[in-house]
Amino acid sequence: GDSVTQMEGPVTLSEEACLTINCTYTATGYPSLFWYVQYPGEGLQLLLKATKADDKGSNKGFEATYRKETTSFHLEKGSVQVSDSAVYFCALGGSGGSYIPTFGRGTSLIVHP
Amino acid sequence: ETGVTQSPTHLIKTRGQQVTLRCSSQSGHNTVSWYQQALGQGPQFIFQYYREEENGRGNFPPRFSGLQFPNYSSELNVNALELDDSALYLCASSDVGLSEQYFGPGTRLTVT
Repeated sequence: GDSVTQMEGPVTLSEEACLTINCTYTATGYPSLFWYVQYPGEGLQLLLKATKADDKGSNKGFEATYRKETTSFHLEKGSVQVSDSAVYFCALGGSGGSYIPTFGRGTSLIVHP
Repeated sequence: ETGVTQSPTHLIKTRGQQVTLRCSSQSGHNTVSWYQQALGQGPQFIFQYYREEENGRGNFPPRFSGLQFPNYSSELNVNALELDDSALYLCASSDVGLSEQYFGPGTRLTVT
């Protein structure tokens, strides 16, 4: 079945450092890919998405490129802020006729001033 | 445009009891999905409803059931609660099944 693997956290950075959170997936077909962010005590918010190979999703300085050849969708940001501290989830939409979305386990990001 | 709302915010139940959680979808959205999120884990898909019909189900037992109403709001019912059912239950709406989902704040269920 479909699966998403994210790098283990927590990721701890100083403000203005560069961020990369790795995400790889296994799926039949060509699913849409998403990054969601969850702030403490809240539900998930869509951060960005990509619907086909080589698409780049971007939002709030975050970017991720749908790489079919490496089945990856790594999240990047050039300069993180304390307010970016949260848990980030990589997810894929259903594939191969399935409507079941699949989420990774999440990666906690802690940014220090 | 109103977002996804869920009620109640928190709930404490005893093992063996039954619980109903409620979700109002974002206006214009006809699809609702329910997820269980255990502490430190990603959301696990329970099921999805599209225009009042179940449209997909994850690996959860039949004591997890749901409904979607004509206004696209939804309920999640859990019978015979077990301690492992303690989790954050998230509802998400979307306009079609595979598009991006908009999440509510969740209901924190504690089973004692």
